Amino acid sequence: EVQLVESGGGLVKPGGSLRLSCAASGFTFNNAWMNWVRQAPGKGLEWVGRIKTKTDGGTTDYAAPVKGRFTISRDDSTNTLYLQMNSLKTEDTAVYYCTTALGIHRMDVWGQGTTVTVSS
Amino acid sequence: QSALTQPASVSGFPGQSITISCTGTSSDVGGYSYVSWYQQHPGKAPKFMIYDVSNRPSGVSNRFSGSKSGNTASLTISGLQAEDDADYYCMSYTSSSVYVFGTGTKVTVL
Repeated sequence: EVQLVESGGGLVKPGGSLRLSCAASGFTFNNAWMNWVRQAPGKGLEWVGRIKTKTDGGTTDYAAPVKGRFTISRDDSTNTLYLQMNSLKTEDTAVYYCTTALGIHRMDVWGQGTTVTVSS
Repeated sequence: QSALTQPASVSGFPGQSITISCTGTSSDVGGYSYVSWYQQHPGKAPKFMIYDVSNRPSGVSNRFSGSKSGNTASLTISGLQAEDDADYYCMSYTSSSVYVFGTGTKVTVL
């Protein structure tokens, strides 16, 4: 069974940093593009960023609101996806989901999400 | 990248069909066949329902179907059932090599 489990969420002050993790199982992680998607309280889904496979260059792309502050990385040896979030703002408060793209340009499987609250 | 436009709400009675629209531009919906749809029940993670405009993943009911015309994609739910009461989001690949979600539609089964 394909499974994604996020962790690392919590309460952080504006300007602070946080690193989220996503443990993947049930599929060949190093063959999958991976994404982070977030959802602010009471709001819709917002794509955060994506990392390609090392075979496809391992490159990353980010949504404009997080570019330069967030960094996505992956450890194929432990099947783990990461989201390093720096210079956090109150508007980054959201549930953060990791998703896998088993097919191209889609989000097949979602984790249960981890909550990040940015508040003083 | 602006969010794709969806109606805020759509409703229908059990057994009826409803359609949710998702309008973008030629740089996203109109330019690619990479439109997907997601269903989200309150407090739950989204569920993958449609990919590449009109394809259903294994396990998704054939009551759900997708289509596209120009810059607008659509999701149709036929034979509406109580469990279809949820939020629905479209998503498209874009010419900037990023993804954009729709604004979301609340489907209410009356």
